[in-house]
Amino acid sequence: GDSVTQMEGPVTLSEEACLTINCTYTATGYPSLFWYVQYPGEGLQLLLKATKADDKGSNKGFEATYRKETTSFHLEKGSVQVSDSAVYFCALRTGGGNKLTFGTGTQLKVEL
Amino acid sequence: DAMVIQNPRYQVTQFGKPVTLSCSQTLNHNVMYWYQQKSSQAPKLLFHYYDKDFNNEADTPDNFQSRRPNTSFCFLDIRSPGLGDAAMYLCATSRDTEGRGRENEQFFGPGTRLTVL
Repeated sequence: GDSVTQMEGPVTLSEEACLTINCTYTATGYPSLFWYVQYPGEGLQLLLKATKADDKGSNKGFEATYRKETTSFHLEKGSVQVSDSAVYFCALRTGGGNKLTFGTGTQLKVEL
Repeated sequence: DAMVIQNPRYQVTQFGKPVTLSCSQTLNHNVMYWYQQKSSQAPKLLFHYYDKDFNNEADTPDNFQSRRPNTSFCFLDIRSPGLGDAAMYLCATSRDTEGRGRENEQFFGPGTRLTVL
């Protein structure tokens, strides 16, 4: 079945450091890929998405590129801020279905 | 602001005592979802409503039921909670604008954390 694997956290960075959170997937067919973010005490919010190979999703300085050859969708940001502290979830959706398959989430802590 | 609201945010129940969690939305979305998220695990889809049509995931226990009396509200009923049902329960909504299965972004509520004593 479909699955998503994320790097384990927590990831602790200093402000203005570079961020990479790894995400790889296994899926039948050609999935759409997503990154969701969950700030403390809040629900999940869609951060960015990509629907086909080589697409790059971007939002709020975060980027991720859909790499079919490596089945990856790594999340990157060049300079993190304290306000980026949250849990980040990688997810996929296959075909025209309703179901999102999530990774276990990666907690990011950004310190001054 | 249009949003997805979950009540209560924290719920404590006793082993075997039925409990109901509620979700409401002001987005007028036609699809509503319930996810279970256990500590340090990925959210897992329990079921969803596409309009009034109920769609259960194959591995969702019978102990979990759902009701959707109208577009705005959806309830999660746990008939006999066990200790293993302690988790965060997330409600989400989406609008299907291109026919069945072509849903757009899912919008999530803040979740209800359920404790079973």
